Amino acid sequence: GQNIDQPTEMTATEGAIVQINCTYQTSGFNGLFWYQQHAGEAPTFLSYNVLDGLEEKGRFSSFLSRSKGYSYLLLKELQMKDSASYLCAGMDSNYQLIWGAGTKLIIKP
Amino acid sequence: DGGITQSPKYLFRKEGQNVTLSCEQNLNHDAMYWYRQDPGQGLRLIYYSQIVNDFQKGDIAEGYSVSREKKESFPLTVTSAQKNPTAFYLCASSGTGLSGANVLTFGAGSRLTVL
Repeated sequence: GQNIDQPTEMTATEGAIVQINCTYQTSGFNGLFWYQQHAGEAPTFLSYNVLDGLEEKGRFSSFLSRSKGYSYLLLKELQMKDSASYLCAGMDSNYQLIWGAGTKLIIKP
Repeated sequence: DGGITQSPKYLFRKEGQNVTLSCEQNLNHDAMYWYRQDPGQGLRLIYYSQIVNDFQKGDIAEGYSVSREKKESFPLTVTSAQKNPTAFYLCASSGTGLSGANVLTFGAGSRLTVL
């Protein structure tokens, strides 16, 4: 079956670095997405990886290892506004998205 | 500004009633989607449409219906046959290129509560 696993909740301190992991099992693979979702709001796109390696976008970076079925989202210089849920989604061979349950990130001062 | 508008934001329904959630986009996207979000679970696909006048069932279509008469609009009806309709409903749209360029743009969501 197809499955996305990510931690339910993580806590970090303002100004620090946090890594949110995601493991995936999909029927075929056409990329891995990360979205950010503040409580009660729409998810917004953060990153897309289809090749192995690290993609950097400002304070956020995303990494993919296809051989390990593994991705992570790295957030640097954490700010209070980064408190949100982070959704990992894998795209299968039919270009359908398989979603993880999301990781709730709590930032403490 | 281009985007997706969902309405209403909050909706209360009595058991046995049908309700329709509106979704309109001005992004000129061909594909539109409806997802359901429940606490502790990933987004689950209800229906999707890649072209006007055509749509396909997602993973949890039972108890729901949709129409796609216009490119801009993809309303979702939650029927009385849906056993547990209380949830947060998200509409999304994307281009239809067969690549990861299919980044989804989401609406702000509609929260349905059955009384």
